[in-house]
Amino acid sequence: DAGVTQSPTHLIKTRGQQVTLRCSPISGHKSVSWYQQVLGQGPQFIFQYYEKEERGRGNFPDRFSARQFPNYSSELNVNALLLGDSALYLCASSLRRGREETQYFGPGTRLLVL
Amino acid sequence: GIQVEQSPPDLILQEGANSTLRCNFSDSVNNLQWFHQNPWGQLINLFYIPSGTKQNGRLSATTVATERYSLLYISSSQTTDSGVYFCAVERANTGRRALTFGSGTRLQVQP
Repeated sequence: DAGVTQSPTHLIKTRGQQVTLRCSPISGHKSVSWYQQVLGQGPQFIFQYYEKEERGRGNFPDRFSARQFPNYSSELNVNALLLGDSALYLCASSLRRGREETQYFGPGTRLLVL
Repeated sequence: GIQVEQSPPDLILQEGANSTLRCNFSDSVNNLQWFHQNPWGQLINLFYIPSGTKQNGRLSATTVATERYSLLYISSSQTTDSGVYFCAVERANTGRRALTFGSGTRLQVQP
């Protein structure tokens, strides 16, 4: 089976612009989460979606939004980009099996804001 | 929120050496995963281990949930083991599948 896929792999934007990042989960996985990883730090949770509903939101401003589609793919949108939004954006999908729910990460989208 | 501390922050080994990475967490957890992040940024699952012990080849992990720590053991290290190792936990009883990551252990294995 294919793993989690993300597009684009790299992106360069300027301050004030808007960006949309895309994620396709592993087949059969209904939950998608988004994380931001700035250089030198661990990933930070942004959003989690399950069955098209937002199930959790991290400590990020309203400029960040996301949605999940009927095929369980997801988009992350960031408006009014700031230099500090430059980071690796990671998508993870998961499937619950009993009490176990392992998150599997995609390769990420590297965003550079100039 | 839950705090996750990893030690040591940096580790340099000679090929063939063994190492132990530690992860301390501040609250009860539903989920604990160890990841290896390669130089291209890909997070690779190593273990799902909220409690107990697991082994996979040269790697093994132990989580003592009652004492709120987990250990990752790497034996006979190879240069391909280099990268950053993250521990990530999901706090119990929040209803939210959000992983909180530690700051990682950067491992460099020298030939």
